[in-house]
Amino acid sequence: GQSLEQPSEVTAVEGAIVQINCTYQTSGFYGLSWYQQHDGGAPTFLSYNALDGLEETGRFSSFLSRSDSYGYLLLQELQMKDSASYFCAVKRGGATNKLIFGTGTLLAVQP
Amino acid sequence: EAGVTQSPTHLIKTRGQQATLRCSPISGHTSVYWYQQALGLGLQFLLWYDEGEERNRGNFPPRFSGRQFPNYSSELNVNALELEDSALYLCASSEGQTNTEAFFGQGTRLTVV
Repeated sequence: GQSLEQPSEVTAVEGAIVQINCTYQTSGFYGLSWYQQHDGGAPTFLSYNALDGLEETGRFSSFLSRSDSYGYLLLQELQMKDSASYFCAVKRGGATNKLIFGTGTLLAVQP
Repeated sequence: EAGVTQSPTHLIKTRGQQATLRCSPISGHTSVYWYQQALGLGLQFLLWYDEGEERNRGNFPPRFSGRQFPNYSSELNVNALELEDSALYLCASSEGQTNTEAFFGQGTRLTVV
C-alpha cells in the first residue's frame, strides 16, 4: 500500500519561515508534489520534485530526498494569506498512475 | 481558457438515493481524477480515468462508479447513498498519464440527509 504522513497543524507568525514535512511509503514512486487549499476551495499546485534536492519558486521551496522517502515544503516571509491547508502528494507512475494525497497540514499564520 | 468545471456546486440527497456529479476537464487534458474530501479531512483518491478508460480506483465500495466520455468529461455516480458519503467531491485533470501537475475544480458539496 501507500501512506503519507504530515503534521496536522502548524502555527507561525507573519514574516517567519515555516517547514512542513512529509514522509511517504509507496511503491512505484515517481515524484512528490505540494498543493495549497484555502478553506472550502480547490487545491492549487505549488511545486513538484522528481529528483533529490531543492526546488525554489518565489517564497516557496520544496525539497525531496528519495533515499529517505522524505520531503518538505518551505515557506518564507510568511503572509496572512498563506493560512491554508498544505498537502503533499505522491505521483505513482505507469499502470498504477495516480496522485495520492497526504492528510494535509493546516497552517495558521498569526499577526 | 476555462479551468476544470464541476456541476452541481451543491447537491442534497436522501439516504438510499443516487447522486451524479459531473466534471469537465481543461481543454486538451485527457486524465481525470476524482477525490472525496470529508469535512476537515484530506483528499481520498476515488477514481482515475484516462483516454476514456478507468485506469485505477481507490478503496471505495462498488457503489462508487463513473465514466469518461469521448470529449474527456467525466461523471461520478454514487448509488445507495449513505450519510457518511457527505463530503466535497473534487475533480482534477492533467494533460496525460505522465503529467505531474493536476488542476482541480471547485468541487461538488454533497450532503446526504
